[in-house]
Amino acid sequence: EAQVTQNPRYLITVTGKKLTVTCSQNMNHEYMSWYRQDPGLGLRQIYYSMNVEVTDKGDVPEGYKVSRKEKRNFPLILESPSPNQTSLYFCASSPSGTGMDQPQHFGDGTRLSIL
Amino acid sequence: GENVEQHPSTLSVQEGDSAVIKCTYSDSASNYFPWYKQELGKRPQLIIDIRSNVGEKKDQRIAVTLNKTAKHFSLHITETQPEDSAVYFCAASINWNYGGATNKLIFGTGTLLAVQP
Repeated sequence: EAQVTQNPRYLITVTGKKLTVTCSQNMNHEYMSWYRQDPGLGLRQIYYSMNVEVTDKGDVPEGYKVSRKEKRNFPLILESPSPNQTSLYFCASSPSGTGMDQPQHFGDGTRLSIL
Repeated sequence: GENVEQHPSTLSVQEGDSAVIKCTYSDSASNYFPWYKQELGKRPQLIIDIRSNVGEKKDQRIAVTLNKTAKHFSLHITETQPEDSAVYFCAASINWNYGGATNKLIFGTGTLLAVQP
């Protein structure tokens, strides 16, 4: 089954404790992206990647890191999480690596709470 | 920077009525406009999309229209049903070649549609 898999689905942690949210897709998609969803603000793009070793900032990249060492994986790293990063996070992928003009497939989301 | 405005933020309709959600975008270079439906506790899922070389697209009870001159696009749902109740997001992308500028997708803030039986 074609899917985008995120882990963990839920995480409660404390300020300053490094964490990683994994994302993996099995569709051989070139484009992958991370979003955060907050009430009243919709979905905001954090980082995206057009292919292996190619990443770029979205609209809200501060406090986050990503890497794309393999095509299927795109982890989101919070080096020193803070309470304002409490949010619902979605990973997504789409086939095209050279243009953002194809449907994105979303994972089931990760709800992060930073105390 | 790029911006997508979406209205209304909430919409309540009677079952069988039509619903219209409108979005405006700021960057004239945007050329792909998807609409996503997000049910409570679920992930966003694409319901329809349109590209800038097309003015209208239909898929059964759902249609999207695009006015490039005015930089706005709309989602139309006819004969609404209770299962249409969800949050709907519009989005606009910039499709630039690699080595050019960004390849981002900018979302609107969402519309909560409630269909009353």
